Amino acid sequence: DAGITQSPRHKVTETGTPVTLRCHQTENHRYMYWYRQDPGHGLRLIHYSYGVKDTDKGEVSDGYSVSRSKTEDFLLTLESATSSQTSVYFCAISEFWKSSYEQYFGPGTRLTVT
Amino acid sequence: AQSVTQLGSHVSVSEGALVLLRCNYSSSVPPYLFWYVQYPNQGLQLLLKYTSAATLVKGINGFEAEFKKSETSFHLTKPSAHMSDAAEYFCAVTLNTGTASKLTFGTGTRLQVTL
Repeated sequence: DAGITQSPRHKVTETGTPVTLRCHQTENHRYMYWYRQDPGHGLRLIHYSYGVKDTDKGEVSDGYSVSRSKTEDFLLTLESATSSQTSVYFCAISEFWKSSYEQYFGPGTRLTVT
Repeated sequence: AQSVTQLGSHVSVSEGALVLLRCNYSSSVPPYLFWYVQYPNQGLQLLLKYTSAATLVKGINGFEAEFKKSETSFHLTKPSAHMSDAAEYFCAVTLNTGTASKLTFGTGTRLQVTL
């Protein structure tokens, strides 16, 4: 257990509304990530952070923004939600262990955009 | 750029039978490879990883994987399946672990275990 929580765990929202998902970690990890999981696609990286206020885009960043004002919190925002953003969103952290970094995942947030 | 291909989106085995889940990777430099397991409505749990220290890697729950450079493969095996192994399994690759280790995942293989 890497001390990762995600909130909310489930959310239903309407098209065009803004949505913010929160990832919170308790162990001071430097690197944090947001992925989305869709059937037939596995997990795809949306954005990641390598420190407070340091973020970068991943593979599927269009329509998403992130912020990290504190080490422990990494926020994912959908400025105007669309039905194509219905997905399960996972947050992850990296921890160095036995010669390499490993990623540990939170429990996920299931987002439905109607 | 790196990529991962998992052959077979669904695999069904009998309890006690051998489990073999296939993963092939594409990478221009020596990769770091991972297998994750996801139980229903849960996050991903790391099963094992390859970081060039040894080609045969043992993980949790009796799983192991062998890195074969000549075949660009990292297949996951378990000698005897248990009902509790039913889950979805993901292979993932990254090229560097010195900084942010961005993972590229395969599309997953759902393992069904029958009596």
